[in-house]
Amino acid sequence: GESVGLHLPTLSVQEGDNSIINCAYSNSASDYFIWYKQESGKGPQFIIDIRSNMDKRQGQRVTVLLNKTVKHLSLQIAATQPGDSAVYFCAEKSWEYGNKLVFGAGTILRVKS
Amino acid sequence: GAGVSQSPSNKVTEKGKDVELRCDPISGHTALYWYRQSLGQGLEFLIYFQGNSAPDKSGLPSDRFSAERTGGSVSTLTIQRTQQEDSAVYLCASSSRGLAGGETQYFGPGTRLLVL
Repeated sequence: GESVGLHLPTLSVQEGDNSIINCAYSNSASDYFIWYKQESGKGPQFIIDIRSNMDKRQGQRVTVLLNKTVKHLSLQIAATQPGDSAVYFCAEKSWEYGNKLVFGAGTILRVKS
Repeated sequence: GAGVSQSPSNKVTEKGKDVELRCDPISGHTALYWYRQSLGQGLEFLIYFQGNSAPDKSGLPSDRFSAERTGGSVSTLTIQRTQQEDSAVYLCASSSRGLAGGETQYFGPGTRLLVL
């Protein structure tokens, strides 16, 4: 899950393994969710998004799962590569937030070769 | 095509000075956003421009912060009388349809601001 402050959760995986990054979002009225990847010294890069009327969406090597019952979002990365090492952020959008994206604190993914 | 660009990439200033940060959104994108990211933190929303509508300034932390967007394209974020706690990465993003459309926001590389 997400945490706040400087102590970001860290996931370490072996190259070639699958990675699962989790996010607990806060607002049951949120209707759009997005995952970003941020490499050191760069801006966040879009990975995949999902709307609340879906529970799964697949991209290239990535899958996002949405469980609205428990307000949980996950990002699955297949065959993780060293280039996947980064901080991953989930974000939610809700009319209650004025339709602005609200970001989680992030999860560090470290890929071991 | 060109992505979102920001300048300068790094800025070091003294406490009390004013700074201006620039954002060039993706051509044709009507929505523009500014965020702040402190070390090891997530993104904090600052301000949102959509077309010719009045900007949503609800995230600006104090009246020392202001932003404008000229001609519906380039935006400038100004911080007056900078404080050390303003040190952060300032990120700009743009999207084609804005928040109501749920469109993906594309981010620039950010400006790293250090206030001494």
